[in-house]
Amino acid sequence: NFMLTQPHSVSESPGKTVTISCTRSSGSIASNYVHWYQQRPASSPTTVIYEDNQRPSGVPDRFSGSIDSSSNSASLTISGLKTEDEADYYCQSYDSSSQVFGGGTKLTVL
Amino acid sequence: QVQLQESGPGLVKPSETLSLTCGVSGGSISSYYWWSWVRQPPGKGLEWIGEIFHTGSTNYNPSLKSRVTISVDKSKNQFSLRLTSVTAADTAVYYCATTAEYFQDWGQGTLVSVSS
Repeated sequence: NFMLTQPHSVSESPGKTVTISCTRSSGSIASNYVHWYQQRPASSPTTVIYEDNQRPSGVPDRFSGSIDSSSNSASLTISGLKTEDEADYYCQSYDSSSQVFGGGTKLTVL
Repeated sequence: QVQLQESGPGLVKPSETLSLTCGVSGGSISSYYWWSWVRQPPGKGLEWIGEIFHTGSTNYNPSLKSRVTISVDKSKNQFSLRLTSVTAADTAVYYCATTAEYFQDWGQGTLVSVSS
């Protein structure tokens, strides 16, 4: 099976833009959709991006997703950072009847 | 959007079997979703355990497959997880979730500790 690798942590100031990467270890990133989840402390995860770049209703358009076949990675970009965006973010994809999560990235907004 | 609620013992002894149930409300377990279990050890990331369709078809995480059984009870609109031969490494918050293309709805999670 494959792995999804994320940076352990990122930090940025309010109002700025941050990008979190998710690199697939084997197989093409484009072969299966990538989804992104936000998890605040002591809460269940919620979806912020599904199917590479789709936003569920209620998720602000400050959140966007993309994939890059050249680096075999997906990215979550959050613009106009707010303190409420501080959370853990996980990417997730699927292959060969297995769901795979990235290790998670802790976003600090300071 | 369905509502999910995990239930089961919060403490399991080493070498014993962990059993959890996920009650489904606001929708039928015989819908198009797959029904998943995901866990999160304290301070760590999410780990997919496995999933089941209402027909009984299952997929499991290869790293846990030898110890995991997921089953569905359509009469009670719920699905269940059994994890055998548990160790301290199985201490985690266990979530149930619906899976269409992605994990859409999540339960609140239940902490299961493995300790004697």
